[in-house]
This record gives sequence, C-alpha cells and structure tokens, in this order.
Amino acid sequence: AQSVTQLDSHVSVSEGTPVLLRCNYSSSYSPSLFWYVQHPNKGLQLLLKYTSAATLVKGINGFEAEFKKSETSFHLTKPSAHMSDAAEYFCVVRGTGGFKTIFGAGTRLFVKA
Amino acid sequence: GAVVSQHPSWVICKSGTSVKIECRSLDFQATTMFWYRQFPKQSLMLMATSNEGSKATYEQGVEKDKFLINHASLTLSTLTVTSAHPEDSSFYICSARISGGREGRYEQFFGPGTRLTVL
Repeated sequence: AQSVTQLDSHVSVSEGTPVLLRCNYSSSYSPSLFWYVQHPNKGLQLLLKYTSAATLVKGINGFEAEFKKSETSFHLTKPSAHMSDAAEYFCVVRGTGGFKTIFGAGTRLFVKA
Repeated sequence: GAVVSQHPSWVICKSGTSVKIECRSLDFQATTMFWYRQFPKQSLMLMATSNEGSKATYEQGVEKDKFLINHASLTLSTLTVTSAHPEDSSFYICSARISGGREGRYEQFFGPGTRLTVL
C-alpha cells in the first residue's frame, strides 16, 4: 500500500527567506516521488522527481528535494522565496509496475512582501 | 517535456445537459490516460483510468454511467459528464502516461484542466 502525507496545509514565508514544504510517504515498493506546483485555476506543473538515482534532486525555479529513506521523507526546499512561488504544492508518490499515483492533500504557500 | 492539452479550458452549462471534455497527448502516444477531479482548495482525486481500446476502470464511488470515458485512440481520451448537476461543478484534470525507461518507471504528464460550472 502507498500513501503520502503533507504535514502542513499552509505555509507562510517572507520574500527572500527559505521555503520548506514537508512530505512523508509510505510505500511497500521502491517509490517514485514527485513535487508538482499548481497556480490558481491552472494545471499541474512538475517541479522535480525522484526515481532512485541521486537522493538530492534539483528541480525548476530553484527548488530541490532530498529523498531520505530512513525518515520516509521527501521535503521540498528553496533557499529564497519569490512572490511568484505563491501557489499550491502537491507531493506525489507512485510505485513501480504502474501502481496508482497518490496525491498528497497539498500545501498552500503564501509569500509575503 | 511531453504536452497534454485539454479542451475546453472552461465551460458553463445548464443543469441536465451533457458536457464533453477532450484530453489530447500532442507529441506522444499515451496508452493510458487518467481523469482527476479537484474540488476547490482540495487535492486531486482519481476518477478513472482509461486504456486505449478498452473500457475505463473507475474508482470506487465514481458513477461510470454519469462520467463516460472513451479512449478511442492513442492520443485522445474524452470525458463526458452526462446530465450534469451543480454538484458536478469542479476542476477536471486529465493525465497521460507513456511507458518506458528503466525499471518500468512511467512518465505521467498533466493537462491544464477544465473548469466546469453547472448552473
């Protein structure tokens, strides 16, 4: 069985400060993990993905995430928030062999000027 | 990356009418397409999985007679909301999957979504 938990429903940061969006997963198999961003009334955009290669994954727009198997975590970080980062972020887990894609509940990121 | 389009991007219809949403993979062939539904401020919920040339597999609680899915070709899947009611108003997102890569990993690409409002 697979599941994904985003630990914060919303996160608020000031522009220029670091961003941390937390995600924990469970999977019976070696999972693929993804972070997607969704701006209001828009579709999903892939930020980055982990597929059993390097544990530190770099994505677009300065985001990165670290896969920690011992902690079953895949937290998303960015050193310096920008106003345009304000959006909804989804952590997604998918197992091998075509197992279902499971979405986290989402974390709304607010960026204050 | 691969591109998935949806049409229309938004639609308003009267209660009782049917609405068709198209999902196209523009530069790749998708043997499998997924339809998701997203209510305001909520996550995506998988409605059904469709494989080209076969019947869709619906998730528990999704009425297959109400949400008709057709995956007639490797680049097109359609979702028809029949006899739509206000509670069907939602954001519908499709996703297309291409197979390949090592270890059987699959790439999944999402469309921009269709906003349905039923009056």
